[in-house]
Parts: sequence; C-alpha cells; structure tokens
Amino acid sequence: GAVVSQHPSRVICKSGTSVKIECRSLDFQATTMFWYRQFPKQSLMLMATSNEGSKATYEQGVEKDKFLINHASLTLSTLTVTSAHPEDSSFYICSARDVKSPEKLFFGSGTQLSVL
Amino acid sequence: GNSVTQMEGPVTLSEEAFLTINCTYTATGYPSLFWYVQYPGEGLQLLLKATKADDKGSNKGFEATYRKETTSFHLEKGSVQVSDSAVYFCASSNNAGNMLTFGGGTRLMVKP
Repeated sequence: GAVVSQHPSRVICKSGTSVKIECRSLDFQATTMFWYRQFPKQSLMLMATSNEGSKATYEQGVEKDKFLINHASLTLSTLTVTSAHPEDSSFYICSARDVKSPEKLFFGSGTQLSVL
Repeated sequence: GNSVTQMEGPVTLSEEAFLTINCTYTATGYPSLFWYVQYPGEGLQLLLKATKADDKGSNKGFEATYRKETTSFHLEKGSVQVSDSAVYFCASSNNAGNMLTFGGGTRLMVKP
C-alpha cells in the first residue's frame, strides 16, 4: 500500500533553535498534504493544509511565521518549527492525499518534538 | 465545526474478549466516519469507514455502524487478539471530504 515517510521520528532540541520535519509520499504523488499536531491526551488538531506549488492554508490560531510549511514537489512537504520553545513540544503528524485516489489519506508515523 | 468524542483509555482486555470503543460526533451536514488504528511505532492506518447513515464498515473482524439518530460510530470486535493492541482513533470528515477531525484516541491493551 501507499507509504508516507515522516522524518525524524523523534527530535530533542534547545529552546530558540529551528526544527524541520519532512513528509514524503514514497510511491504516489500528493498534491495536498496535511499537518496535524497532537497534544497529550487530546485529539489531533489540523494545523495547515499544504498544496504543491502554492502557499499553505493555516487553521485559525496557528502562527504562519512560527510554523513554516513548504510543499515544493508532489512528493515532499516540510514543516519548520522556527525558534522553538518548550510549549511547541508535541507530536506532529502529516498526511498525504493520493492525487489518483483523492478520497484516501495516508499518514506518516509522526514526529515527537521535545524542546528543552 | 465538527467534533469527535471517544472514550478514554486505556482499555485492557483479555484475549478473546469482546471489544467496544464508543465514539460520538457532532457535525453539520453528513460527514463520513472513520476508524484509524496506530500500532506501536507505526503511522495511522485506516481501519474502516462508513459514508452514510446505517452503513456498516468492517475490516479485520472490526465493525462500526454509522448511527445518525444517536450520532455514534462505535467500534466493536467479537474476539480481540494480542495483536490488536494499538491506539484507535475515531474521525469524521467535513462535507468536502478534505479535512478530518479526530477524537482523542483510545489505547487498547490485550493481554494473553
């Protein structure tokens, strides 16, 4: 089946640094990718919708300058957490929509970010 | 907007026990409903789905019926196995089908 690779799976960084998370569709093309965030014991929250070749659409309350999203190709979207702080510590997960089967969403394995 | 509420875990069962994980939703219109499963160390996988009222989704022995009158989509399995141990997420989509709203997830632990 379709595979979405998300990297890294776990990252620990110091406060003030930036962290980049990659989401790749390995065997299909994805014009649309989604980025979610999950706080402990809470549901996944959609952060933004990433469309290939255009600017991402952010959900209300999500800081665009804080969470930079780039979707430069049909198989890669990146999320950069800029100047990370401890409150950014969370589980981030991406999903990708297969351009040939738009009703299907495939998820990455997630990234656990810990900011010290 | 849509919201999804599912029972908190962890749910601990013995092998071959009957499983129910409750899920209720609020939504405008007619959302599609999903159950996703996340096995340890892996990404979310679609387990089953239902797109309209009274539809029953089923896969790997799991079932869930779209109940519009009770706005529910409870997940059931008649006899769980140790390999079913995972986190289960209930989700609903918006009418356009391009956004998912997830419940908080329910961890299932099955003991031999």
